[in-house]
Amino acid sequence: SQTIHQWPATLVQPVGSPLSLECTVEGTSNPNLYWYRQAAGRGLQLLFYSVGIGQISSEVPQNLSASRPQDRQFILSSKKLLLSDSGFYLCAWVGREGRSGGQETQYFGPGTRLLVL
Amino acid sequence: EDQVTQSPEALRLQEGESSSLNCSYTVSGLRGLFWYRQDPGKGPEFLFTLYSAGEEKEKERLKATLTKKESFLHITAPKPEDSATYLCAVQAGMEYGNKLVFGAGTILRVKS
Repeated sequence: SQTIHQWPATLVQPVGSPLSLECTVEGTSNPNLYWYRQAAGRGLQLLFYSVGIGQISSEVPQNLSASRPQDRQFILSSKKLLLSDSGFYLCAWVGREGRSGGQETQYFGPGTRLLVL
Repeated sequence: EDQVTQSPEALRLQEGESSSLNCSYTVSGLRGLFWYRQDPGKGPEFLFTLYSAGEEKEKERLKATLTKKESFLHITAPKPEDSATYLCAVQAGMEYGNKLVFGAGTILRVKS
């Protein structure tokens, strides 16, 4: 079965410091991968998505970047964090609904809570 | 621009008190409407996908329905363990990459 991992689970960083969040997927190959941010009391905002190694699409211009160095690895980075970067970061992948290969749907990882001070 | 609006923002129910959550959407060609459940501090958990008006899906005490403009998540005789934030999302048009647009969610609290 497929599983998705994110680390770290929680991170506290000072303003201006760099950031690297990692997401890995097991049990599938060439998945579509996504990075979302969820601010307190708000919905999920799509930041980046990738349909393959080295292929990154950015949805929101900001000081974050993403990379996909391997098929099942998706990294979210920043050179200098801002206070507004605080939030809950979620990685997702596209899989098939149900065991018998139903419609495609997004499945989420456990998330990383980032607090920028 | 594709938009998803969920109401109410928060809902408090007594155990056993049935109710419905609403998700209204404006999209250019709906390809799918998704419902997720999210517990505090955790990633969203997939519940249902609906594809066409009139479609219904059920899972335990939850039932999701879809019309051309909105979706409802009906909760029958809820229990305290149903307390969570319920998120609605749409996949629209023929955009590349299976992208979803999410609503802000409805926070459900069920008291015993």
